[in-house]
Amino acid sequence: DTEVTQTPKHLVMGMTNKKSLKCEQHMGHRAMYWYKQKAKKPPELMFVYSYEKLSINESVPSRFSPECPNSSLLNLHLHALQPEDSALYLCASSVSETDYGYTFGSGTRLTVV
Amino acid sequence: ILNVEQSPQSLHVQEGDSTNFTCSFPSSNFYALHWYRWETAKSPEALFVMTLNGDEKKKGRISATLNTKEGYSYLYIKGSQPEDSATYLCASLRGNYQLIWGAGTKLIIKP
Repeated sequence: DTEVTQTPKHLVMGMTNKKSLKCEQHMGHRAMYWYKQKAKKPPELMFVYSYEKLSINESVPSRFSPECPNSSLLNLHLHALQPEDSALYLCASSVSETDYGYTFGSGTRLTVV
Repeated sequence: ILNVEQSPQSLHVQEGDSTNFTCSFPSSNFYALHWYRWETAKSPEALFVMTLNGDEKKKGRISATLNTKEGYSYLYIKGSQPEDSATYLCASLRGNYQLIWGAGTKLIIKP
């Protein structure tokens, strides 16, 4: 298995909802990443997990809460989001945090209404 | 602020024509330059990783060159085909392990 799988592909949520994005890989990669991308902008790094521990938090608001329950799974819990949080959320993995050969998922298109 | 700039932002090319576009990056503390190809509704797919000044990499009809002294990389596509339509992203890895992404060049091949 050489893929990163993200679910759901599309999500519409209200500002008072709680939802979660999921990311899964079975390549034995020990680093996993959440990126946020808005149209015509570069991907913005949000979080990095290395060996299931949070390694980097790029000053992301607390309404985004990452979780890495095991080496294959990465979640992003969403609560009280704002319309400006609408974006494509990409998950990626790599062999380790210092290996930048990323494998990406196809993303979750999030719309906050 | 250290940015990676890609130009043009979008590009329409006739099928069969060759094309190229640019990634400009900070030349200081350079470590590597990554190119990704991203088709709509799919995952970004790694194309090339380049590290040495003067490097040239090739994959089928796609090739890339690297100038680390002046901070740019060109991506070339020879004889464009409809399946080449995608967004091409570059990312610069700096020596402090900071990976900086460009916003991409969206390539549309017209049949």
